[in-house]
Amino acid sequence: SQQGEEDPQALSIQEGENATMNCSYKTSINNLQWYRQNSGRGLVHLILIRSNEREKHSGRLRVTLDTSKKSSSLLITASRAADTASYFCASSSGGSYIPTFGRGTSLIVHP
Amino acid sequence: GAVVSQHPSWVICKSGTSVKIECRSLDFQATTMFWYRQFPKQSLMLMATSNEGSKATYEQGVEKDKFLINHASLTLSTLTVTSAHPEDSSFYICSARGQFVATNEKLFFGSGTQLSVL
Repeated sequence: SQQGEEDPQALSIQEGENATMNCSYKTSINNLQWYRQNSGRGLVHLILIRSNEREKHSGRLRVTLDTSKKSSSLLITASRAADTASYFCASSSGGSYIPTFGRGTSLIVHP
Repeated sequence: GAVVSQHPSWVICKSGTSVKIECRSLDFQATTMFWYRQFPKQSLMLMATSNEGSKATYEQGVEKDKFLINHASLTLSTLTVTSAHPEDSSFYICSARGQFVATNEKLFFGSGTQLSVL
């Protein structure tokens, strides 16, 4: 099964700065999703971008998808301390639409 | 939004005992539920996929007799860790996928269960 790989593994920034996380995958996808996980909790869905889409926005979040490079990025603008969490990309392909998760990026936003 | 309830949040048990974890979709019908295992600071490892009314599909390397999954209704799936041992200690998370387009593509996660086996 394919797996998304996030980069960087860890990111530490100051409040107000932008945070960019990247995700790469191996084979053609149906869609790619980004999730957020606070420590010791379940995951929360952030954004889904389909293979025929190139960019999506949701509040302070912007996701891009480059299918030619098999990569996606998540940009969090004007970060807040509350954005501190782990962020995972999950790609799905084929008919089953079962997402496969990458290793995640641990984001720390310092107040 | 769709809500998935997972219980218990944490459990401590003695080695050799069995532990049951419940995952319920509260406001939607989940045709498919997924069970994941997560080690500290690592990704989610898919253990099995369960579809309502049928046997679960286990990922390679996951012992089906060790991790019993039941998906008896469209709103409830259970994972039973049988004869738990310390190496089974981990964070277990369930997720559900809805029956209809609005809830079908993305996953809705429970809050996870931290299992500690002494």
